[in-house]
Amino acid sequence: QKEVEQDPGPLSVPEGAIVSLNCTYSNSAFQYFMWYRQYSRKGPELLMYTYSSGNKEDGRFTAQVDKSSKYISLFIRDSQPSDSATYLCAMRGSGYSTLTFGKGTMLLVSP
Amino acid sequence: GAVVSQHPSWVICKSGTSVKIECRSLDFQATTMFWYRQFPKQSLMLMATSNEGSKATYEQGVEKDKFLINHASLTLSTLTVTSAHPEDSSFYICSMSIAGGVIGQYFGPGTRLTVT
Repeated sequence: QKEVEQDPGPLSVPEGAIVSLNCTYSNSAFQYFMWYRQYSRKGPELLMYTYSSGNKEDGRFTAQVDKSSKYISLFIRDSQPSDSATYLCAMRGSGYSTLTFGKGTMLLVSP
Repeated sequence: GAVVSQHPSWVICKSGTSVKIECRSLDFQATTMFWYRQFPKQSLMLMATSNEGSKATYEQGVEKDKFLINHASLTLSTLTVTSAHPEDSSFYICSMSIAGGVIGQYFGPGTRLTVT
């Protein structure tokens, strides 16, 4: 079993849809959870991060962490064509900075 | 804030030559730097981690004599691909983290290497 599992997609939705992106993980030591957005041929851009369990909202984006289920989600409301990108989840334990990444989910939002 | 630049953004070289990629933090000092490689439609693969003034720690399967990493200062790291071959063609991305920072890593825009 891989440490972090993420469905590669692609996930195709119409503009305005609510998008749900998810990752599962196996290492219970993970404490910090991040979501990165990566446009084609560009470096990843940090979208959101969450510490431990709970929700965090930033504009159209909401990150959720359920440590009991080892499951994290990123919700995008009112999706836009400009949201079309690959979304990578990443996580790490406390005290060190090496991140473990998911494979990324490609999202396509059509006008 | 937390801007990381990479140079060059795209390089084409002939097989057998060496290529150097620079990674700089523009507005912060990074204690740890990371180099990743990404093949098309694949996730980021960590190649090595380095702290300023220390030798880089390479991931299993990454040849340290082929991928030379120099962590010159708190704002600069370089990756040199020596005697490049077509199978080294990939997207190379650096990232940096800040001491005590909880957010994680800040990534550069990446360098696309094509070896002919």
